[in-house]
Amino acid sequence: ETGVTQTPRHLVMGMTNKKSLKCEQHLGHNAMYWYKQSAKKPLELMFVYSLEERVENNSVPSRFSPECPNSSHLFLHLHTLQPEDSALYLCASSQDRLGGSYYGYTFGSGTRLTVV
Amino acid sequence: AQSVTQLDSQVPVFEEAPVELRCNYSSSVSVYLFWYVQYPNQGLQLLLKYLSGSTLVKSINGFEAEFNKSQTSFHLRKPSVHISDTAEYFCAVSSNTGNQFYFGTGTSLTVIP
Repeated sequence: ETGVTQTPRHLVMGMTNKKSLKCEQHLGHNAMYWYKQSAKKPLELMFVYSLEERVENNSVPSRFSPECPNSSHLFLHLHTLQPEDSALYLCASSQDRLGGSYYGYTFGSGTRLTVV
Repeated sequence: AQSVTQLDSQVPVFEEAPVELRCNYSSSVSVYLFWYVQYPNQGLQLLLKYLSGSTLVKSINGFEAEFNKSQTSFHLRKPSVHISDTAEYFCAVSSNTGNQFYFGTGTSLTVIP
């Protein structure tokens, strides 16, 4: 148990589907993140939420839409994805926005997404 | 801006042999350095970190890394690896102001029985 739970673990979706990834943490952390992990590439930071406000959006296509209803939950809504979006999507949390760079991040196990 | 280079994408090593995973960084400011480990089908876990003080930092499972400022390196070492050490290892760097954080591309360590 890492403290950060992601569901589903695996997801196969067509390019016209709409789906959502869910992340939950009960560590009392105030910052949450979505990362994309593709083979042989550095982890790509997609979105950052601090105290439920989006503070960073790294030029992510609009077909990815994050939502943070409270400090414990983070969603990534997906629609009209492309095959190149297939990857492992990791959720992470940290004590606060700067704490991740000092204390480290707690990651979930990820959702393996395949777009067909 | 900072960047992280992990020179080896794959490192096979026999069980009980020593291993070194290399990490170099570039930065114009003081940095914090991290190693994360990702076991198969899991997320990343913090293995060890350097913030300040002693340049040699250790993890609870026998890994250690040394911060070398002159060579801008933070190589990860273990004197004797186990099968259970098979995983992907990521080096990461952040500025000491905390507002930038970068991961390397990872090194896949495979321990051979």
